[in-house]
Amino acid sequence: ELKVEQNPLFLSMQEGKNYTIYCNYSTTSDRLYWYRQDPGKSLESLFVLLSNGAVKQEGRLMASLDTKARLSTLHITAAVHDLSATYFCAVVPNTGNQFYFGTGTSLTVIP
Amino acid sequence: DTGVSQDPRHKITKRGQNVTFRCDPISEHNRLYWYRQTLGQGPEFLTYFQNEAQLEKSRLLSDRFSAERPKGSFSTLEIQRTEQGDSAMYLCASSLGAGASYEQYFGPGTRLTVT
Repeated sequence: ELKVEQNPLFLSMQEGKNYTIYCNYSTTSDRLYWYRQDPGKSLESLFVLLSNGAVKQEGRLMASLDTKARLSTLHITAAVHDLSATYFCAVVPNTGNQFYFGTGTSLTVIP
Repeated sequence: DTGVSQDPRHKITKRGQNVTFRCDPISEHNRLYWYRQTLGQGPEFLTYFQNEAQLEKSRLLSDRFSAERPKGSFSTLEIQRTEQGDSAMYLCASSLGAGASYEQYFGPGTRLTVT
C-alpha cells in the first residue's frame, strides 16, 4: 500500500523562526506537489517538483525533492502569521496518474 | 476563465436520499479528478477522467457512487442511498494532460452533510 507521511502533523512556531516540514513517500515518483489549505477552504497549489534535486522558492517558503530518498521538504523562513494553514504534499507514482496526499501539517504561527 | 467551480457549495440531505454534485473545470483542462476529504485528513482520490473517459476509480468507491463527464467538459458525481459516513467535503480538480506538469487546480468543494 502506498504511503505518504508528513511530519510533524501539528506545528506551532513563533514569528520570525525557521522550520522544516517533511514528506516521506513509499513509491517511485518524480512528481511531488505541495498545497496549502486554509480552514474551510479548498486547496491552493504552492509548488510542483518534477525531478530529483528540484528546488522551488516562493517568498518565505522553499520546497525541495530528493527522489532517491523519497523525501520532500518544505522549509519556512522567518515565519509570519499569514503562513498559518494546513500544508499537504501529494505524490504521483511513476506508474500511474493518481495523486496520493499526505495527512497534512497544521501550522500555527504565534506572534 | 476564473477557475474550477462546483455546485452546490453545501448540501444537507437525509440518509437514504440521492445527491448529485457538479464540477466545471478550467476550460482547456482535459483531466478532471474527484476527491473526498474528511476533517483532519488529506484529500482521498475517488476517480479521474481524461476528456470523457473515466480512466481510474478508487477501490474505496462503492457502487453507490457514480461519476460522469459526458462531453469532456463538466462532470457530475452522484451518490445514491446516502449514508452518514458519506458526510465530507467533495473536491473537484482539473489539470492539463500529457506534456504538462499535471498541476491540479482545485474547486471550492461541496460540503455534504447526511443527517
